[in-house]
Amino acid sequence: GAGVSQSPSNKVTEKGKDVELRCDPISGHTALYWYRQSLGQGLEFLIYFQGNSAPDKSGLPSDRFSAERTGGSVSTLTIQRTQQEDSAVYLCASSLRSRRGTGDEQYFGPGTRLTVT
Amino acid sequence: AQRVTQPEKLLSVFKGAPVELKCNYSYSGSPELFWYVQYSRQRLQLLLRHISRESIKGFTADLNKGETSFHLKKPFAQEEDSAMYYCALRYNQGGKLIFGQGTELSVKP
Repeated sequence: GAGVSQSPSNKVTEKGKDVELRCDPISGHTALYWYRQSLGQGLEFLIYFQGNSAPDKSGLPSDRFSAERTGGSVSTLTIQRTQQEDSAVYLCASSLRSRRGTGDEQYFGPGTRLTVT
Repeated sequence: AQRVTQPEKLLSVFKGAPVELKCNYSYSGSPELFWYVQYSRQRLQLLLRHISRESIKGFTADLNKGETSFHLKKPFAQEEDSAMYYCALRYNQGGKLIFGQGTELSVKP
């Protein structure tokens, strides 16, 4: 079946503009995660959604970052007033369940490469 | 705070040589440890997890709670093992992964 998909694959934006990054998880997966992969910082957790529970936003670097997940499926990560340090590859992952056990493996999307000029 | 450390940014070995990618973690409870791999132009994917205690593509990793380590080992490296390897920790019953900085493994012919 189809894996996790993300769009756009590449995004170039000017400093100060807002951007929206989209993630389509694997159908039926209840957990969805956003991570950021940047030079010097490695892979950082941003935010995590599990079913109807309140999201874990503990990794969001500033209030310019927000995310939502509509209908328990598609998720959008929004970055307002982008800065050059936001340049990175943004990865989305989903899993069937989040609690430890069968089905908790996270499957990653191809990522969106964001460049802020 | 929970932390994962991979001390080597780049590890270069010759084909057929043994390889060990180091990973240390800091967490006082019972963590779950993983190794993820990202081959060139491919997605990040799970290689193995400590709970399963299995060997994948010839790689093994043992959780050493005394040394808080989860080093990845392979006795005979192959050129196709060249990739970026990330060690990750999950410290509650589910949810987010804490990743190390990654180690780039280069296996030369």
